[in-house]
Amino acid sequence: QVQLVESGGGLVKPGGSLRLSCAASTFSISDSHMTWIRQAPGKGLEWVSYISSSSGFTYYADSVKGRFTISRDNAKDSLYLQMNSLRAEDTAVYFCARDRLGATRFFDFWGQGLLVTVSS
Amino acid sequence: DIQMTQSPSSVSASVGDRVTITCRASQGISNWLAWYQQKPGKAPKLLIYSAASLESGVPSRFGGSGSGTDFTLTISSLQPEDFATYYCQQAFNFPLTFGGGTKVDFK
Repeated sequence: QVQLVESGGGLVKPGGSLRLSCAASTFSISDSHMTWIRQAPGKGLEWVSYISSSSGFTYYADSVKGRFTISRDNAKDSLYLQMNSLRAEDTAVYFCARDRLGATRFFDFWGQGLLVTVSS
Repeated sequence: DIQMTQSPSSVSASVGDRVTITCRASQGISNWLAWYQQKPGKAPKLLIYSAASLESGVPSRFGGSGSGTDFTLTISSLQPEDFATYYCQQAFNFPLTFGGGTKVDFK
C-alpha cells in the first residue's frame, strides 16, 4: 500500500517560516508528479502547489506565490514545501498527494495531513 | 481561474437512497474532473477520475458522468460508510480548483 508521511508542521508566528516534508514509503516518488493541498479549519480543499517528477516545472496558487517553494529529492523519496512570510490565513491542514499515473492532475494517494497554525 | 460550483452544499439521506451531487465548471473542462470523498479528520479519497472512470477499489455504487461544464456524482444506494463530504476538482489547467463540497448526512 502506498504511504505518504508528512512532517514539519506546528505553530509559527506571523512572518515566520516552516518547512514541510512528505516522505514516501513502499514506493518511489521519482516517477510521480506531486502536489500540496491544504484545508483551513472547517473549510474546503485548496490546491497550493505542484511539481513534476524531475522538478522541471512547478506551479503555485496565487495566494502562496512568492512565499512558498515546492521541491523534491527523488534520491530520498521526499517532497518538501518551504513556507516563508507566513500569514494567519495560511493556517490549515496540509496534505501531500501523488498524481495518478503521470501528469493527470488527479490525486490517488494522500498523506495523513499536517496542521500548520500561524498565530502570535 | 476556473470556478467549480457544487450543489447542493448538503444533503440528508437514508441508507439505500440514491444520491446525486452536481458540479458545474465556469468554463469547459472536457472530462478533466475528479470526485473525492472525505471523512472527518481524514485525507480525501479519490473516487472518480476523468469524469466517469472509477478508481480501483471504489465500490461500483459510485458513478460519475458529464463533460464540458456539467458533471454528476451518483451514489446508487447509499451505505452507512458513505456519509461524508464530497468534493469535485478540475484538472484542466492550473490553478487546480475544487468545488465547495457537499456534505451527505443522515436524514
